[in-house]
Amino acid sequence: DSGVTQTPKHLITATGQRVTLRCSPRSGDLSVYWYQQSLDQGLQFLIQYYNGEERAKGNILERFSAQQFPDLHSELNLSSLELGDSALYFCASSVGTSGRVADTQYFGPGTRLTVL
Amino acid sequence: AQKITQTQPGMFVQEKEAVTLDCTYDTSDQSYGLFWYKQPSSGEMIFLIYQGSYDEQNATEGRYSLNFQKARKSANLVISASQLGDSAMYFCAMREGRAGNQFYFGTGTSLTVIP
Repeated sequence: DSGVTQTPKHLITATGQRVTLRCSPRSGDLSVYWYQQSLDQGLQFLIQYYNGEERAKGNILERFSAQQFPDLHSELNLSSLELGDSALYFCASSVGTSGRVADTQYFGPGTRLTVL
Repeated sequence: AQKITQTQPGMFVQEKEAVTLDCTYDTSDQSYGLFWYKQPSSGEMIFLIYQGSYDEQNATEGRYSLNFQKARKSANLVISASQLGDSAMYFCAMREGRAGNQFYFGTGTSLTVIP
């Protein structure tokens, strides 16, 4: 158990809908990262937050948004869902110290999203 | 250029044998960290081992060791005495030392342990 929690574990929804994925980081970690893992595109970095502020942005679609709350939990919002959004979505957390190369990311169990 | 390259899409190893999973990286930073993760079929991503660019000795964690060759920019994972439970996807990753904490993953290697 990495200490990172994600809910829900599975989510099945229809095209055009909106969903929210939730992540709670490990105790003491200030940074949260979101990743999308699909069969054809591997592990794609979406976005990173540090202590409530956006720190880095990867291949995140405009239909997707995220935020990190004062209690450090994070939510990833996916809207106008398409079939191609079906994937495993991971949240990871780390201490987040800038420039610290040993800052290991610990992953949550993931949310498996299926868009029908 | 790719930051992390894993050239072996799939590998097979006999149970109880050792196996090496290749990883090469590309960075101009002097300070960086290298990581390996395991993803079994159940889906979770499990952190295995870390090596810092200034570490003089190769990292080891139980049956996992990291064969770090700085001049060749390679960070191969060695699994000794393979077990059936080692069958999984393995990802190599790097964090550069510059501000921003970018974390780069390779495309992964699928390891199958044969009984």
